[in-house]
Amino acid sequence: GESVGLHLPTLSVQEGDNSIINCAYSNSASDYFIWYKQESGKGPQFIIDIRSNMDKRQGQRVTVLLNKTVKHLSLQIAATQPGDSAVYFCADLSYNTDKLIFGTGTRLQVFP
Amino acid sequence: NAGVTQTPKFQVLKTGQSMTLQCAQDMNHEYMSWYRQDPGMGLRLIHYSVGAGITDQGEVPNGYNVSRSTTEDFPLRLLSAAPSQTSVYFCASTGQAEQFFGPGTRLTVL
Repeated sequence: GESVGLHLPTLSVQEGDNSIINCAYSNSASDYFIWYKQESGKGPQFIIDIRSNMDKRQGQRVTVLLNKTVKHLSLQIAATQPGDSAVYFCADLSYNTDKLIFGTGTRLQVFP
Repeated sequence: NAGVTQTPKFQVLKTGQSMTLQCAQDMNHEYMSWYRQDPGMGLRLIHYSVGAGITDQGEVPNGYNVSRSTTEDFPLRLLSAAPSQTSVYFCASTGQAEQFFGPGTRLTVL
């Protein structure tokens, strides 16, 4: 079936460095992509989204890049801080199905 | 504006028992959904609803029922709990700009 997955299960970065979290998706009909942050014991928190008619979107310290040719999505976090430590999920939605499907997650660890 | 609320926060059931996980939102969102999250894994979609009176199956619907009689409420029912349903359950409510998750219900089935 269709799936959304992540390349790296754990990413360790030094405080102040930039982080890049990657995600591959297989559903060519995906219209909408979201990145979530989940801290321990909490529900996922929306970070940023991007629609399939865009290839880049920027937020505060975060940038999402979408490459539809290779079905790849990435989340870039600038100047990573200890508070960024969490598990990050990508999710994908097809407007045809209305189903938002999550990937397995990447744990981001920030060390001083 | 409370966002998305879920009750209970924790629940222990015996195999075969039934229960309902409650979810409510006060943002007038049409789209609501239920996910389960197992340790070290992502969220898997159980059921979702695009509006009152409309529900549909997600990735892992077996063993769960839902109903959507009002826009605000989207309860998830376990008719006969099984140990495989031990998980953390998240309810979500989706608006135009983003999706809001509830705090989760941690369910253990013995």
